[in-house]
Amino acid sequence: QVQLVQSAAEVKNPGASVKLSCKASGNIYINYYIHWVRQAPGQGLEWMGIINPGDGTTSYSQKFHGRVTMTRDTSTNTVYMELTSLTSEDTAVYFCARGPGYSLNWGQGTLVTVSS
Amino acid sequence: DIQMTQSPSSLSASVGDRVTITCRASQGIYNSLAWYQQKPGKAPKVLLYAVSRLESGDPSRFSGSGSGTDYTLTISSLQPEDFATYYCQQYYSKPWTFGQGTKVEIK
Repeated sequence: QVQLVQSAAEVKNPGASVKLSCKASGNIYINYYIHWVRQAPGQGLEWMGIINPGDGTTSYSQKFHGRVTMTRDTSTNTVYMELTSLTSEDTAVYFCARGPGYSLNWGQGTLVTVSS
Repeated sequence: DIQMTQSPSSLSASVGDRVTITCRASQGIYNSLAWYQQKPGKAPKVLLYAVSRLESGDPSRFSGSGSGTDYTLTISSLQPEDFATYYCQQYYSKPWTFGQGTKVEIK
């Protein structure tokens, strides 16, 4: 079984950046993508992008291009997602998930609140 | 980007009812479609992938069908634990987009 454990909730001012983590454990020998998906309060799911933990290659939704960076640390099986130039529209729960295209395993989510 | 349009956006049903949710893609997605269930305050959970392949552990009352641009999730006999929001997702072409969700409520 695979577990994804995400970092704690964050509160940020508008214009700031946030860097979230997602640590994988368990049977992770299959090199699946790590996806980042966010969900604004009361809204649906929004796919942000993926990172291949094996080689670090990334693919981002155009909506976030220039503001999002996904990286990984293979020594700790941890993936990071940094989002810059935050606005109130970025207030959401951010999920990491793992899977080949669809998402098999999900983290518990990290609430990011952007407020002055 | 491929747009995924789900219908209905919400429905009310009773335990034991047969429920159908549809998802239409703005272009062909060649069966690269998954369905997720999400309960309040929880992460989504995959039910089906590749249109009709049931993720292990999921009950067989969930089934999927479709091809081309039109896909369907069917719950054959709604159970109390099935009241949730359901999302489709295409993973044929990046960005891998979701439908807007269908909330299944108790009648």
